[in-house]
Amino acid sequence: SAVISQKPSRDICQRGTSLTIQCQVDSQVTMMFWYRQQPGQSLTLIATANQGSEATYESGFVIDKFPISRPNLTFSTLTVSNMSPEDSSIYLCSVEEMGRSSYNEQFFGPGTRLTVL
Amino acid sequence: KQEVTQIPAALSVPEGENLVLNCSFTDSAIYNLQWFRQDPGKGLTSLLLIQSSQREQTSGRLNASLDKSSGRSTLYIAASQPGDSATYLCAVRLFFGNEKLTFGTGTRLTIIP
Repeated sequence: SAVISQKPSRDICQRGTSLTIQCQVDSQVTMMFWYRQQPGQSLTLIATANQGSEATYESGFVIDKFPISRPNLTFSTLTVSNMSPEDSSIYLCSVEEMGRSSYNEQFFGPGTRLTVL
Repeated sequence: KQEVTQIPAALSVPEGENLVLNCSFTDSAIYNLQWFRQDPGKGLTSLLLIQSSQREQTSGRLNASLDKSSGRSTLYIAASQPGDSATYLCAVRLFFGNEKLTFGTGTRLTIIP
């Protein structure tokens, strides 16, 4: 399966600032996904990022708040803009790839733990 | 709207016991279901994926079953070990071409040595 890395692994930020999270994959993938996991909650999909096109955002998430770049098939960034304490979450990127099951599975990066003061 | 529920939210069992984690979903028209484990503060590790046409999948001490018509899946862990302590999440995908996963709320499992 794909090896996915994220930077930074964690950060503490002041409200009103922005943070860009990087996601790097060791193989070329068509689709990358960004999820948010708020404290004590399960994962919620923010957006799907395809190379060469605008990201597709889920209901409740907007490009101005979470701009995404996908410059090539192995890399994506998610920016959390104008942060507030409510943005404190773990942000995870994922990719879809053939797994042991011989079907496409989603594989996740280690996550970025963000705390906004 | 698909909703995924996992009960119980937390479970503690002595080492060596067999155990079952439950996952239920409201819309039975799913494409597949995936089980993950998440260690505290970490990302997700994929454990098993079951296609809608399959009944079960096995990997080592793990066995996942799927009853699509009743909207249920179970994850069976045999001979539990302290290293199995983690949060277990199930996630469903609605149909081919829609890669969005809808996650359950998770079961936090603690294996007592």
